[in-house]
Amino acid sequence: GESVGLHLPTLSVQEGDNSIINCAYSNSASDYFIWYKQESGKGPQFIIDIRSNMDKRQGQRVTVLLNKTVKHLSLQIAATQPGDSAVYFCAEIPGNQFYFGTGTSLTVIP
Amino acid sequence: NAGVTQTPKFQVLKTGQSMTLQCAQDMNHEYMSWYRQDPGMGLRLIHYSVGAGITDQGEVPNGYNVSRSTTEDFPLRLLSAAPSQTSVYFCASSYSGPGQGTPGANVLTFGAGSRLTVL
Repeated sequence: GESVGLHLPTLSVQEGDNSIINCAYSNSASDYFIWYKQESGKGPQFIIDIRSNMDKRQGQRVTVLLNKTVKHLSLQIAATQPGDSAVYFCAEIPGNQFYFGTGTSLTVIP
Repeated sequence: NAGVTQTPKFQVLKTGQSMTLQCAQDMNHEYMSWYRQDPGMGLRLIHYSVGAGITDQGEVPNGYNVSRSTTEDFPLRLLSAAPSQTSVYFCASSYSGPGQGTPGANVLTFGAGSRLTVL
């Protein structure tokens, strides 16, 4: 099956710093990608998405970058806040199914 | 809107028992799905449905049954619980299934999860 991996399983950042979470995907046919945030004891929540015809997409305090050449996706969180502490994982859609990564646990240090 | 509602939130079963995890959505989503989440692994698809009366198997369907009699409800049945089914289960829905419709319509909305322990 498809695999979506993350470079780091855990990440700790100081409050106010920027966070970068990475994701590698394996299927070059994937044409749509989504980042989810999952807080402890809750279901995943949509953060931002990007189509394969784009390199960058910005939301409120978040930016997703897509590098199709190396099949790499990143999520940048500006001015990280304590409420950003959660597990973040990416999902790719190479056709008719979602494939989810295992996630990176982000801890924000006050 | 309530979004996706799952019940129960916690359940403990003995091996061999059966039970049903309930899932309901009020967003008029055509696509509904069940995932399980285990430590160190990404979400894995159990079963999915692209509309009322239509269901199909995902990556890990063994030991589970589903039905979709209405657009709103998509229950997951464990026929004879096994310790390997200890997991957190998530129901998720979207307007259209992956690869269908516009990309934004594929965004899954997840329920809060159901933690199942099988002894």
